[in-house]
Amino acid sequence: EPEVTQTPSHQVTQMGQEVILRCVPISNHLYFYWYRQILGQKVEFLVSFYNNEISEKSEIFDDQFSVERPDGSNFTLKIRSTKLEDSAMYFCASELSGATEAFFGQGTRLTVV
Amino acid sequence: GNSVTQMEGPVTLSEEAFLTINCTYTATGYPSLFWYVQYPGEGLQLLLKATKADDKGSNKGFEATYRKETTSFHLEKGSVQVSDSAVYFCALSPAQGGSEKLVFGKGTKLTVNP
Repeated sequence: EPEVTQTPSHQVTQMGQEVILRCVPISNHLYFYWYRQILGQKVEFLVSFYNNEISEKSEIFDDQFSVERPDGSNFTLKIRSTKLEDSAMYFCASELSGATEAFFGQGTRLTVV
Repeated sequence: GNSVTQMEGPVTLSEEAFLTINCTYTATGYPSLFWYVQYPGEGLQLLLKATKADDKGSNKGFEATYRKETTSFHLEKGSVQVSDSAVYFCALSPAQGGSEKLVFGKGTKLTVNP
């Protein structure tokens, strides 16, 4: 069964460093999302991406965040200068269209020290 | 704005017990409602959904009914199994029929003991 895969499963980084979280969505899907969950808190929407551009982003998704679909298969989330409060589980999701089921990856746990 | 409030966990039950996890929502318009499940070490999986008032979503013995009058979408299962141990997330989408930009609850961890 097709699935969304995320790498790495766990990333530890020093404050101020750049990190790139990687996702391989399901191959024929067209809509892509990043969510995050800070420990003990809600899963929060970060950004949606369609047709090679951001379609919507939340207040959390400020200038330190960026997304890219560099090669038609990967979908990446870059955090330029990580802060302690960026420590969270980051989930990638993809969808065939805007009105179908979103499939989620297993998440990347980011720890900023 | 849109929000989801979910029953605080963790919940611990014995096998074959009845499960209810409460979920209420606040939304403008007519959202779609979802329950997602996360098994240990895995991603979020859609468990069931309902796209309009009075719809009942069901899957794997779990059920939830979209109640507009009480703005609720409580998850129930008549007889839980050890394999149901997971974290359950209630979510809504402002877009009727779709899962665009989901708004999630905090999640409820369920542990089922033999």
